[in-house]
Amino acid sequence: DAEITQSPRHKITETGRQVTLACHQTWNHNNMFWYRQDLGHGLRLIHYSYGVQDTNKGEVSDGYSVSRSNTEDLPLTLESAASSQTSVYFCASSERRLTSGTAGDTQYFGPGTRLTVL
Amino acid sequence: GNSVTQMEGPVTLSEEAFLTINCTYTATGYPSLFWYVQYPGEGLQLLLKATKADDKGSNKGFEATYRKETTSFHLEKGSVQVSDSAVYFCALGTGGFKTIFGAGTRLFVKA
Repeated sequence: DAEITQSPRHKITETGRQVTLACHQTWNHNNMFWYRQDLGHGLRLIHYSYGVQDTNKGEVSDGYSVSRSNTEDLPLTLESAASSQTSVYFCASSERRLTSGTAGDTQYFGPGTRLTVL
Repeated sequence: GNSVTQMEGPVTLSEEAFLTINCTYTATGYPSLFWYVQYPGEGLQLLLKATKADDKGSNKGFEATYRKETTSFHLEKGSVQVSDSAVYFCALGTGGFKTIFGAGTRLFVKA
């Protein structure tokens, strides 16, 4: 069965360190997304990609970067971790439909990574 | 701009009670509307969706109707179970494949 996985599931790091969170999907979806989930804020979009070599900033992209070298993976890098980046991070993917008029396809989520920055 | 507003939680109900979680949206154009559910320790998963006005999405006893006149997509279930305890997110699908999520509503169901 197709799936989307994230690793690690839990991570504790120190302020100033570089951290990379992995996301791998076997849906063969073109669209991939990174969100953070914080109490009182719901899900906020960090970065997204519509295909290989394509990356775009979301609403809370400062301090984060992504790269898309293949269809399956979209790693999220925290360049210099800060305590404000302590959160639960979710990766998601969706299929790009070629028909016009499609407004928002179903997103498939990974299990999440709980990151603590001390 | 596009936005989603859903009722604040937590919502606490007894088993077999009726559930309503309100959701309203602001959007231009013709968005799709979704309800996602998040069980403890897991990622979100699609519960139901509706892609045009007056459509009713349904799944696992949950229902929601896309009301363009009131810009609403309220989630309902006639008889909740303990296993329905989770966080429920209303979401709006815009052009460009992005999805805007509400803040989530936590539901506790007591036996």
